[in-house]
Amino acid sequence: DTEVTQTPKHLVMGMTNKKSLKCEQHMGHRAMYWYKQKAKKPPELMFVYSYEKLSINESVPSRFSPECPNSSLLNLHLHALQPEDSALYLCASSQGESGTDTQYFGPGTRLTVL
Amino acid sequence: GENVEQHPSTLSVQEGDSAVIKCTYSDSASNYFPWYKQELGKRPQLIIDIRSNVGEKKDQRIAVTLNKTAKHFSLHITETQPEDSAVYFCAARSYSSASKIIFGSGTRLSIRP
Repeated sequence: DTEVTQTPKHLVMGMTNKKSLKCEQHMGHRAMYWYKQKAKKPPELMFVYSYEKLSINESVPSRFSPECPNSSLLNLHLHALQPEDSALYLCASSQGESGTDTQYFGPGTRLTVL
Repeated sequence: GENVEQHPSTLSVQEGDSAVIKCTYSDSASNYFPWYKQELGKRPQLIIDIRSNVGEKKDQRIAVTLNKTAKHFSLHITETQPEDSAVYFCAARSYSSASKIIFGSGTRLSIRP
């Protein structure tokens, strides 16, 4: 299996809802990432997990809460989001955190906050 | 921190012609430079990458060159085809902050039939 999968593909939520995005990889990768991508912009790093521990939080608001239950799974819990949080949320994974480890992206979850 | 600049922001070429996209980076410690292609509504997909100990790498119609002294790298696509139409992102990864890929702003490439 050489893919990163994400569910759901699309998500519409209200500002008072709680929802979760899921990401899974079975490539034995030990680093996993969450990115946010707005239209016509590059992906913007949010969080990095390395060996199931949070190693980077790019000053993301607390309404986004990441979780790494095991080495294959990465979740992003959403609560009290704002309309400006609407974006494509991409998960990625890499072999490790080495400077030359390639990152492979999942298909993304397109999130709309009403 | 690292900054990556990418030019041009849009590029239109005749089918069969070549396309060149250029990027510059600021952190001299950067040692890995991937290029991603993103079609509309799809995920970014790695198309080629180059490491700092290599000056050029080629994969069929795609090639990347790296000039460490000038801190710039370029993507070359020859014999362009309609399926090459997409947004292309260059990126740089610093040895000192290995988890972080810094992306360029993207180039929207259109292939005219």
